[in-house]
Amino acid sequence: GAVVSQHPSWVICKSGTSVKIECRSLDFQATTMFWYRQFPKQSLMLMATSNEGSKATYEQGVEKDKFLINHASLTLSTLTVTSAHPEDSSFYICSARSAGATGELFFGEGSRLTVL
Amino acid sequence: GQNIDQPTEMTATEGAIVQINCTYQTSGFNGLFWYQQHAGEAPTFLSYNVLDGLEEKGRFSSFLSRSKGYSYLLLKELQMKDSASYLCAVNRGSTLGRLYFGRGTQLTVWP
Repeated sequence: GAVVSQHPSWVICKSGTSVKIECRSLDFQATTMFWYRQFPKQSLMLMATSNEGSKATYEQGVEKDKFLINHASLTLSTLTVTSAHPEDSSFYICSARSAGATGELFFGEGSRLTVL
Repeated sequence: GQNIDQPTEMTATEGAIVQINCTYQTSGFNGLFWYQQHAGEAPTFLSYNVLDGLEEKGRFSSFLSRSKGYSYLLLKELQMKDSASYLCAVNRGSTLGRLYFGRGTQLTVWP
């Protein structure tokens, strides 16, 4: 079946650095991808909708200059956490929808970011 | 905005049936999803309802009433491996996959 892969699975970085997380659809083309954040024992919070070839649409309260999203191809979206701080430590999960009006939705395995 | 409410925790024994309820208030409703999530892992898809009624898939069934803003997930013949968090998610707007999640219901299945 279709697979969505995220890389890296785990990342630890120093405060003030930037971290890039990749989300790839491995056997289908994803016109739309979504980025979520999940804090411990809380549910997933939608951060943004990423559309191939256009700017991402951010949810209210999400800083677009801090969370840079690029969806340059039909199989890859990237999330860059710029100038990361400890409060950005979280589980970041992407999902991807295959092309078509009723395309199926698949989640990646998630990327756990720890900012020291 | 949207309010998606589900119980925080539930417990049940192996072989039993459990029903996890979810109520929602949202604009632009375009379907409701149920996901299962084990700790530290990504959610896995269980069901999707866009029309009123019951959808059955093996041991899992999901029901939706759009007029009442209500859904439930029914798990039959519970197994230990069903211990997990169950997430109710509402799709808002025309973009399929733009999901807003409830806080999840942590289900513990006892032997």
